[in-house]
Amino acid sequence: DGGITQSPKYLFRKEGQNVTLSCEQNLNHDAMYWYRQDPGQGLRLIYYSQIVNDFQKGDIAEGYSVSREKKESFPLTVTSAQKNPTAFYLCASSQTSGSRYTQYFGPGTRLTVL
Amino acid sequence: EDKVVQSPLSLVVHEGDTVTLNCSYEVTNFRSLLWYKQEKKAPTFLFMLTSSGIEKKSGRLSSILDKKELFSILNITATQTGDSAIYLCASSTQGGSEKLVFGKGTKLTVNP
Repeated sequence: DGGITQSPKYLFRKEGQNVTLSCEQNLNHDAMYWYRQDPGQGLRLIYYSQIVNDFQKGDIAEGYSVSREKKESFPLTVTSAQKNPTAFYLCASSQTSGSRYTQYFGPGTRLTVL
Repeated sequence: EDKVVQSPLSLVVHEGDTVTLNCSYEVTNFRSLLWYKQEKKAPTFLFMLTSSGIEKKSGRLSSILDKKELFSILNITATQTGDSAIYLCASSTQGGSEKLVFGKGTKLTVNP
């Protein structure tokens, strides 16, 4: 089945720890995105990547880091510098050409800091 | 700064009612407006609108864009409890980047 997978589904972290959230897609999409969702806040863009080995900061990149070594994979690291990391994290992917740039989302990872 | 505003933020209706969700936008180099439905987890794509005045329809859901007044509406007729969800509106821009700017969403609750 083609789609986007995220793991883990739930993640608990102690304060001061870095954690990495996985996002994989087999849709052959060039672009991938990470969003954070808080209650009543909608989706806010953390980082995005339009091509392998390149990525750009979104609106709330502080305290996060990413890599894009493979087209299929775009992991997000939540570092200890992120002051309020408890949230629902969504990964998305899209094409970048023509009109086929609709973003499709993975099932999300819920991160809780203990 | 690009901005998308949805209203109302929350709405409670009874099964069978018709609802209209609103989305206004202020976006530089606007390209398209997208609607998503989010139940428990991943938002699922509903519509993408690029042209003014052309209604897109899927079953009981329909949506239209007004590029002059900078807004879109999403209509749901004969609502069912399965329509209960958060409906997200997002805008995309032209020119290299594929970023979306999302509104805060409208939480729709349909009671039996």
